Amino acid sequence: GQSLEQPSEVTAVEGAIVQINCTYQTSGFYGLSWYQQHDGGAPTFLSYNGLDGLEETGRFSSFLSRSDSYGYLLLQELQMKDSASYFCAVRDGQGGKLIFGQGTELSVKP
Amino acid sequence: GAGVSQSPSNKVTEKGKDVELRCDPISGHTALYWYRQSLGQGLEFLIYFQGNSAPDKSGLPSDRFSAERTGGSVSTLTIQRTQQEDSAVYLCASSGGYHEQFFGPGTRLTVL
Repeated sequence: GQSLEQPSEVTAVEGAIVQINCTYQTSGFYGLSWYQQHDGGAPTFLSYNGLDGLEETGRFSSFLSRSDSYGYLLLQELQMKDSASYFCAVRDGQGGKLIFGQGTELSVKP
Repeated sequence: GAGVSQSPSNKVTEKGKDVELRCDPISGHTALYWYRQSLGQGLEFLIYFQGNSAPDKSGLPSDRFSAERTGGSVSTLTIQRTQQEDSAVYLCASSGGYHEQFFGPGTRLTVL
């Protein structure tokens, strides 16, 4: 089967750093993506890793290790507006279809 | 607008009725996806259209679900004989590149 595992909830304080892990088991693998979704909103793209290593985009970074079937999203200098759900997603074929994890709800406290 | 639009935003229907959900992708995007999201859950892939190729229907949960894309643009997802377990938010996304999918605001479907 196909599955992605990520923590259901994470809590952190403003200004801190938080890491959200994702492990995957899929029939195919063409890259790991991360999406952010605020309550009642549409998911928005954050990052993509097709190869091993770290990708950095402003306060957000994402890492992939294909040999470990593992990745993480790192959020630095947390702000209240970062409170949202974060989903990892695997592209399991060349067609772009995404298989999503169940999401991690991040709560940022003052 | 420049984003993906979906209609209606909310749909309440009675069990056994048919519903049609519409998606207008970003102009020029060749790929279009439908996903379903139940409360507090991740997104479940339903169907994928790419240009003039045959759609990938591997995620459709039953033969009550179907979708079409006309003229390579607008797509309609149809659910026949709706059941209460069909209640969810139905999200459409489009993509013009390789990695990023742009999502619409979704249609919240409630089956009574």
